[in-house]
Amino acid sequence: DIQMTQSPSSLSASIGNRVTITCRASQSIGKYLNWFHQKPGKAPRLLIYATSNLQSGVPSRFTGSGSETEFTLTISSLQREDFGTYFCQQSYNSPPTFGQGTKVEVK
Amino acid sequence: EVQLVESGGGLVQPGGSLRLSCAASGFTFSQYWMTWVRQAPGKGLEWVGNIKVDGSETYHLDSLKDRFTISRDNAKNSLYLQMNSLRAEDTAVYYCARDLTYSDTYLRYFDSWGQGTVVTVSS
Repeated sequence: DIQMTQSPSSLSASIGNRVTITCRASQSIGKYLNWFHQKPGKAPRLLIYATSNLQSGVPSRFTGSGSETEFTLTISSLQREDFGTYFCQQSYNSPPTFGQGTKVEVK
Repeated sequence: EVQLVESGGGLVQPGGSLRLSCAASGFTFSQYWMTWVRQAPGKGLEWVGNIKVDGSETYHLDSLKDRFTISRDNAKNSLYLQMNSLRAEDTAVYYCARDLTYSDTYLRYFDSWGQGTVVTVSS
């Protein structure tokens, strides 16, 4: 199975700050990387698919980039509602696998 | 609006069985793959398995395929997860999700999720 590793595991940032989360795959996955956001007690929500495609309804402050084994999710200006945990997930191989998550706290 | 509502979770003893259901509405259920994902308490997300639009193909996590079975009833807009020989490590929130799988590509993502149903395996 492809292992997905996210960094950092957690971070704290102020409103308006730029936030960057990295996801690394144990082997090349091309561009087949998705990002989700989960608030406590809620279901995950798809933010970005295939590295850089913004899901409908997701604010444009979220952007994704990368390829092969290294990927990045950037929040250009952190908002209060962005707290929670972010997960990356690869769809290149079955089974689809997720990163362990990055917990974002808003200062 | 896409809606997915899971049900059937609860407390079960080790070795027991449960059948989870997921009721879909707001989209043409028979045209989409569907997936189950679980999340153990305080842990990350784990894909359990998925099922093709017509139910003709199912895929399960290797470690679960002898105990878990995914099925669907397109006439009832419903997805199911039959779980047998349950163990403490199966304790989790179980989510169903709409699975956008594009044939002949690796493009695949889970664009809509239910609120989850809690399964607790304990004596």
